[in-house]
Amino acid sequence: DVVLTQSPLSLPVTLGQPASISCRSSQSLVSSDGSTYLNWFQQRPGQSPRRLIYKVSNRDSGVPDRFSGSGSGTDFTLKISRVEAEDVGVYYCMQGTHWPRTFGQGTKVEIK
Amino acid sequence: EVQLLESGGGLVQPGGSLRLSCAASGFTFSSHGMSWVRQAPGKGLEWVSGISGGGADSYYADSVKGRFTISRDNPKNTVWLQMNSLRVEDTAVYYCVRGVFAPDYWGQGTLVTVSS
Repeated sequence: DVVLTQSPLSLPVTLGQPASISCRSSQSLVSSDGSTYLNWFQQRPGQSPRRLIYKVSNRDSGVPDRFSGSGSGTDFTLKISRVEAEDVGVYYCMQGTHWPRTFGQGTKVEIK
Repeated sequence: EVQLLESGGGLVQPGGSLRLSCAASGFTFSSHGMSWVRQAPGKGLEWVSGISGGGADSYYADSVKGRFTISRDNPKNTVWLQMNSLRVEDTAVYYCVRGVFAPDYWGQGTLVTVSS
């Protein structure tokens, strides 16, 4: 199975400061169709997960533009340009290229 | 508006069975693969199973292979997860999710508790 390793697992951030989460895959996530199915999800406390980014860098409708995704192959990053209070929660990467699908362990973002 | 409504969770003894249902609305159901994702209390997300839009192809996590079965009825806009030989470690909130490559919409989840 593909292992996704996120770092850091805990990320205390000052309001208004940037934050960055890494997701590294044990295998290339380039699919046979040429797409790279690396997705990012946010889970706020007490809520269902919400997709933020799909196929590495495509931001979902309604997601603030302070969120951005980048990377290729096996190395991916989610960046928050300026953290706001509503960004508190756990962030997960997930790969949709190989079966079975897998998630990273999650990164908990909190305000310092 | 896309809606996914799970049902069927509850308390079951180890070795028992449970069938989860997910009623979908607000989109062309047959055009989308569907997945089940679970989250044990205080833990991260774990992908459980997925099924293609037509229902011909299904996939499972190693942890549930041979015990869980995913199925769907497109005219009824419903996907199910049949869970047999349940273990204590299957205790989790189970989410119904639209999509298998880049899942987008999630239900509110249904809690399955396996305990004696």
